[in-house]
Order: sequence, then C-alpha cells, then structure tokens
Amino acid sequence: NAGVTQTPKFRVLKTGQSMTLLCAQDMNHEYMYWYRQDPGMGLRLIHYSVGEGTTAKGEVPDGYNVSRLKKQNFLLGLESAAPSQTSVYFCASSYSLGGSLSYEQYFGPGTRLTVT
Amino acid sequence: LAKTTQPISMDSYEGQEVNITCSHNNIATNDYITWYQQFPSQGPRFIIQGYKTKVTNEVASLFIPADRKSSTLSLPRVSLSDTAVYYCLVGSTDNQGGKLIFGQGTELSVKP
Repeated sequence: NAGVTQTPKFRVLKTGQSMTLLCAQDMNHEYMYWYRQDPGMGLRLIHYSVGEGTTAKGEVPDGYNVSRLKKQNFLLGLESAAPSQTSVYFCASSYSLGGSLSYEQYFGPGTRLTVT
Repeated sequence: LAKTTQPISMDSYEGQEVNITCSHNNIATNDYITWYQQFPSQGPRFIIQGYKTKVTNEVASLFIPADRKSSTLSLPRVSLSDTAVYYCLVGSTDNQGGKLIFGQGTELSVKP
C-alpha cells in the first residue's frame, strides 16, 4: 500500500495563477483533510471531507476550494494564487472504527508551494 | 476547542528518558489527548492517544492525571532519530469531521 500520496511535490506559481493539488489514498478511508503549515507553526485545517461527494470548511478556507468526486481522491484548488498562500500543504486521511472516528490521521509527504 | 500549551523546545541526550508535558486547562468531557511526531520535510505521524490514566504502546507512554488538565508524553531511552517536533492535540472527533487543532509543538533535540 502506498498510503497517502500527494502530487506535485513542489510547485512555483505567479500571483494570480491557478493550480490543483491532488491527494490520493489507498486505505479506503472515509475522511480526508487538507492542512497548510507555515514556518515554525503547527498545521491549520483548510477543508475536509467526511465522505465521497461531501466537503466542509476548516479553520482557514478562504482562497481555496476542494472536491471529493471519488472516495480515494481529495483535490485542493487555488483559483487565484497569492503570496500569502506560500506554504507546505499536507493531505491526510482517517477512518471510522466501530462507528467512531479514529484520532489517527495518516499524512502524505506534503507539497511545497511558492507563490511569487 | 481546548487550547494546548507546550514547551517550545527541549534538549536531551541519547539513552535518556524524555518527558514532554502539555497543558490543556479547558479540556472538555468528550476530548481525547493525542500526540503526533513530525520530522523535517515529512507529514506528522500519530504516536499515541488517551483519555485518562496511563496508556502505553511500543514507542511511548502517555500519562494523564485525574483532572485531565495536563498530559505527559514519555519517550524511553531516546536516540538521535527521535529528534523531531512533537505535537499535543486535544479534541473530540465527535463533531466537525474530526477536527484536530495542532499547536506550535515542542522541538526535541537529541544529542549524542
């Protein structure tokens, strides 16, 4: 099993450009998350999904959109990139156990995005 | 959501036991305590979780006093490879799709 994978690993954008980050998991997890991590800080939740076809806002959703058309994929889009969106983006997934959501989230390797 | 407070950094030597304490004074009844480890340029990795008393697994122990206002992650006999940032999280997955709040974490440096 590959676990959680993220594409691309690195990307440089110019202000105003758009892009999509792809997250894929092969563990059949119901829940998926997108976080961003800025230097010296913890992770902040951008958007999350509790199942195929559903999405919800996290702590810092402005400037981002997401889609979960397939259970195994969770896409994060930036419609008009800004320098403030320079960050490392992590995707994660999690599962339900006996009707309760696990506290164990599996993280991908991250995407380092620079907006100039 | 409960806010956590951890030391920003800690130093240790190989072979020592390391205890990292996290303060969470306004923890709610349904909240669990979870610890994650993050190496540079990698995503965080789950270490351990608990609700009260003591929990132990193959890599760490988690001590939680009766009032649950703090918790201590114990790493026995650390090695250089334990150098990482450790995050204490407090929350419940009962709502908001399992929203967990990551604080600034504790940067542990293990020296030879």
